[in-house]
Amino acid sequence: GDSVTQMEGPVTLSEEAFLTINCTYTATGYPSLFWYVQYPGEGLQLLLKATKADDKGSNKGFEATYRKETTSFHLEKGSVQVSDSAVYFCALSGASYKIIFGKGTRLHILP
Amino acid sequence: DAGVTQSPTHLIKTRGQQVTLRCSPKSGHDTVSWYQQALGQGPQFIFQYYEEEERQRGNFPDRFSGHQFPNYSSELNVNALLLGDSALYLCASSPGTGGVTGELFFGEGSRLTVL
Repeated sequence: GDSVTQMEGPVTLSEEAFLTINCTYTATGYPSLFWYVQYPGEGLQLLLKATKADDKGSNKGFEATYRKETTSFHLEKGSVQVSDSAVYFCALSGASYKIIFGKGTRLHILP
Repeated sequence: DAGVTQSPTHLIKTRGQQVTLRCSPKSGHDTVSWYQQALGQGPQFIFQYYEEEERQRGNFPDRFSGHQFPNYSSELNVNALLLGDSALYLCASSPGTGGVTGELFFGEGSRLTVL
């Protein structure tokens, strides 16, 4: 069945460092891909999405490109801030109504 | 504009008991999905309700049941609780297209502890 695999955390970086969180997926057909973020004490919220191959989703300085050939959707940010500390979930939506989430990657940014 | 609200925020039950969790969707949303998030894991889809019907169900036993009311609010019921049911239960709302667009709006969750 459909699945999402993302890099294990926690990931600890210094402020202004470059961030990459890897995500690969397995799906039949052409899923939509997402990154959700869970800030401390808050609910999950959509960070960005891409609905077809080669699309790039972007928001708040984060970017991810839908790579069908490598079945990947890696999350990147050029310069992280302390406020980016959160848990990040890669997810996909296939032919059904459910969203399939990865296990999450906890990100700590040090000032 | 209120977002998704869930109640209670925390609760403790013992094995064999039953629990009911409640969710009010974001204004304008008619679809409610429920997810279970175990500690250190990603959310797992339980089921989705649309037009007061269960539209899709994940791989959860029949002990997990739900309901959607005419005002689109929803309840999740879990019977015969097991220790393994301890988790954060998330409610998410969306427009009628459900998960197809992927833009779910989540509540902060109800944390259930089963002793």
